[in-house]
Amino acid sequence: GAVVSQHPSWVICKSGTSVKIECRSLDFQATTMFWYRQFPKQSLMLMATSNEGSKATYEQGVEKDKFLINHASLTLSTLTVTSAHPEDSSFYICSARGYGDTQYFGPGTRLTVL
Amino acid sequence: QKEVEQDPGPLSVPEGAIVSLNCTYSNSAFQYFMWYRQYSRKGPELLMYTYSSGNKEDGRFTAQVDKSSKYISLFIRDSQPSDSATYLCAMSDGSRGGGADGLTFGKGTHLIIQP
Repeated sequence: GAVVSQHPSWVICKSGTSVKIECRSLDFQATTMFWYRQFPKQSLMLMATSNEGSKATYEQGVEKDKFLINHASLTLSTLTVTSAHPEDSSFYICSARGYGDTQYFGPGTRLTVL
Repeated sequence: QKEVEQDPGPLSVPEGAIVSLNCTYSNSAFQYFMWYRQYSRKGPELLMYTYSSGNKEDGRFTAQVDKSSKYISLFIRDSQPSDSATYLCAMSDGSRGGGADGLTFGKGTHLIIQP
């Protein structure tokens, strides 16, 4: 139980295009999901907290107009990287609040912007 | 000073050895402490979850938290080659619900268990 999936697992896009990443909790409902970003040899950095049916809360320094988050249902949150640039290339990981107090992480999406 | 410090390694030990992994932190408000294991290009997998100071044991894994020293440890007994991975410490202050908060992570320690 407590499985979180992400789609796509990797994506390559041209500079200036937008990319949507999906995060799904497969066997549980998640009122809260989190989006993290991980650069090579760096720690996971929290980008935003996504609550079902309400606006996301972004961490300091994260541009909310660039990283659009939608949490339309109890099992799905999406992250859209708008007008992506090479510096947005990173590993994006979502997590979902599961049973009790724990978070379950997705497998991540590797974004490469050319 | 980063909020959470963790030696990135790599740490290489022979199979069967006891492994000690550590993190230090600066934010005294942290109360919830977790250890995750991450394989290359995969998402983190929760190993241990502890609240406040003390020890917690689960199979070959033991987590220790010393809040007075702002220091946490993960011990792995009888290490196996399959334990080779990156181990991340993570913590939260619980202001929004314990481990369900957005977490602050260390950089991770790359562990190699030699057969």
